[in-house]
Amino acid sequence: GDSVTQMEGPVTLSEEAFLTINCTYTATGYPSLFWYVQYPGEGLQLLLKATKADDKGSNKGFEATYRKETTSFHLEKGSVQVSDSAVYFCALGVDTDKLIFGTGTRLQVFP
Amino acid sequence: EAQVTQNPRYLITVTGKKLTVTCSQNMNHEYMSWYRQDPGLGLRQIYYSMNVEVTDKGDVPEGYKVSRKEKRNFPLILESPSPNQTSLYFCASSRQGITDTQYFGPGTRLTVL
Repeated sequence: GDSVTQMEGPVTLSEEAFLTINCTYTATGYPSLFWYVQYPGEGLQLLLKATKADDKGSNKGFEATYRKETTSFHLEKGSVQVSDSAVYFCALGVDTDKLIFGTGTRLQVFP
Repeated sequence: EAQVTQNPRYLITVTGKKLTVTCSQNMNHEYMSWYRQDPGLGLRQIYYSMNVEVTDKGDVPEGYKVSRKEKRNFPLILESPSPNQTSLYFCASSRQGITDTQYFGPGTRLTVL
């Protein structure tokens, strides 16, 4: 069935380091792909999305490109800040009405 | 202010005692859904609704019921809670479906003893 696999955390980085969080998916058809972020004690917020192959989603310095050939949607940021510390979820949208989330990756950024 | 509200935020109950967690949105969204979040499992969708009187099962619907009698409200009902339903629950809404931005509520932490 449809599924999302993302790298286990925690990912621990120093401020201004480069970030990559890997996400791969398995799906039939043409899914949409999302990254959501959850700050401590809060609900999830949409970070970025891509709805078709080769689309690049971007927001707040984060980017991810929908790669159909490698079934991937890796999240990247060139220079992380302490305020980016959160849990990041990759998600797959299927059949226009179901969202399937990965298990989440905790990012910890230290000054 | 556009928001999704959930009540209660915290609840401790006992096995078998029926409970309802309310969810309300003020954005006139058509799509609403419920998720549970468990360590190591991420978020799993329980039920979703495309519009009033239209609901469908997500990945983990067993032991839960929902209703969508009004556009703004989407309550989650546990008829006979069990300890394995101890979890953090989130309600979410969006304009029309999952490709639209999902707005999440603050969460309800449920403990079933």
